[in-house]
Amino acid sequence: GAGVSQSPRYKVAKRGQDVALRCDPISGHVSLFWYQQALGQGPEFLTYFQNEAQLDKSGLPSDRFFAERPEGSVSTLKIQRTQQEDSAVYLCASRGPRLALRGETQYFGPGTRLLVL
Amino acid sequence: DAKTTQPNSMESNEEEPVHLPCNHSTISGTDYIHWYRQLPSQGPEYVIHGLTSNVNNRMASLAIAEDRKSSTLILHRATLRDAAVYYCILRDGRFNKFYFGSGTKLNVKP
Repeated sequence: GAGVSQSPRYKVAKRGQDVALRCDPISGHVSLFWYQQALGQGPEFLTYFQNEAQLDKSGLPSDRFFAERPEGSVSTLKIQRTQQEDSAVYLCASRGPRLALRGETQYFGPGTRLLVL
Repeated sequence: DAKTTQPNSMESNEEEPVHLPCNHSTISGTDYIHWYRQLPSQGPEYVIHGLTSNVNNRMASLAIAEDRKSSTLILHRATLRDAAVYYCILRDGRFNKFYFGSGTKLNVKP
């Protein structure tokens, strides 16, 4: 089926505004990852879900960042009281079962480009 | 956290082989080596991965040094569509996060 999709593709927010970024993983993929990519840099890990459980959130930069995946499929990354340093591309990736064909592969979405003014 | 070091940029001629190097001197025994590439305005795309032995697939080959402290991604015949940023990534086999470096921007000349 379709790959990982993310919405919106672009978001402009005023400083202090809350934003919500959506990720639709590949159907049936149990693992979901969020990354933050600053301009000219490689992606940096934010958080990881296995089904609905958030198993690792060590990369979230502050308590303004919150992610959820309540039913084990769609995930939302929320950023409260956005700051200019939050401007980046936010990438979502999903991965199927480890023992499946290409089970090690993370499939990335196109990202959401967030600009905070 | 294990880290990788790559040249910032490389250039190749179309239809010639390209060897993209990566150093990962602090790699641990449980780290897998992954390569992804990213075209402008797109998410990273899987290329290849390995643990200890050299690997081949339809896209590329991965040569891993015997001490695993370095690896080389080999594109056998570069095309214009291979122009992208190539990331050498270590994935801890015990956990799931990827550690991306800054990547190598590959420019392919016609």
